[in-house]
Amino acid sequence: AQKVTQAQTEISVVEKEDVTLDCVYETRDTTYYLFWYKQPPSGELVFLIRRNSFDEQNEISGRYSWNFQKSTSSFNFTITASQVVDSAVYFCALSEAGTGRRALTFGSGTRLQVQP
Amino acid sequence: NAGVTQTPKFQVLKTGQSMTLQCAQDMNHEYMSWYRQDPGMGLRLIHYSVGAGITDQGEVPNGYNVSRSTTEDFPLRLLSAAPSQTSVYFCASRSGTGIYNEQFFGPGTRLTVL
Repeated sequence: AQKVTQAQTEISVVEKEDVTLDCVYETRDTTYYLFWYKQPPSGELVFLIRRNSFDEQNEISGRYSWNFQKSTSSFNFTITASQVVDSAVYFCALSEAGTGRRALTFGSGTRLQVQP
Repeated sequence: NAGVTQTPKFQVLKTGQSMTLQCAQDMNHEYMSWYRQDPGMGLRLIHYSVGAGITDQGEVPNGYNVSRSTTEDFPLRLLSAAPSQTSVYFCASRSGTGIYNEQFFGPGTRLTVL
């Protein structure tokens, strides 16, 4: 069965520090998809990125970057020069192609607090 | 497009009461699902639907019923609310064309069962 582990429950940094959020996944499927979502204090879920299992290229979007490594089953998320507005709960999620249900398995989330 | 809408935003129930959480999407998406979010546990799948008339159970289906009579609507019913069902509920939808597609989430319903 699929599983997503976010071992860091809460991280606190000072503004402008870099921070990496870890995500480790388990799946038997060879075709799967990984996602990151942000949940700010207002409560909505904001889609950040998706990556399929055949694309191990790292991605950078502004201050955000993602490191996908199939060898270690990890999909880590780095925020460079963090800002107070980055304070949120971040979820990593997995979707397997083989199940057909197209739903997501979420990790338990990492709460990031960026102090001014 | 309104995207995925959920009503109500907040609800307080007494143990044993029943209610229906509404979810609608206007993107003609085949796939819809319900999740609950509890502190420290992320989001867990309750029920999902791959099209009108087709529903199935997720990880935590007990105490909830769903039906999908139209493509647009996917209501979640609590038959006899229990304090353990106090949670934030999210509805989501996604297009069925392409298994890579993004899920769109509604704004959530915060439910408290006393």
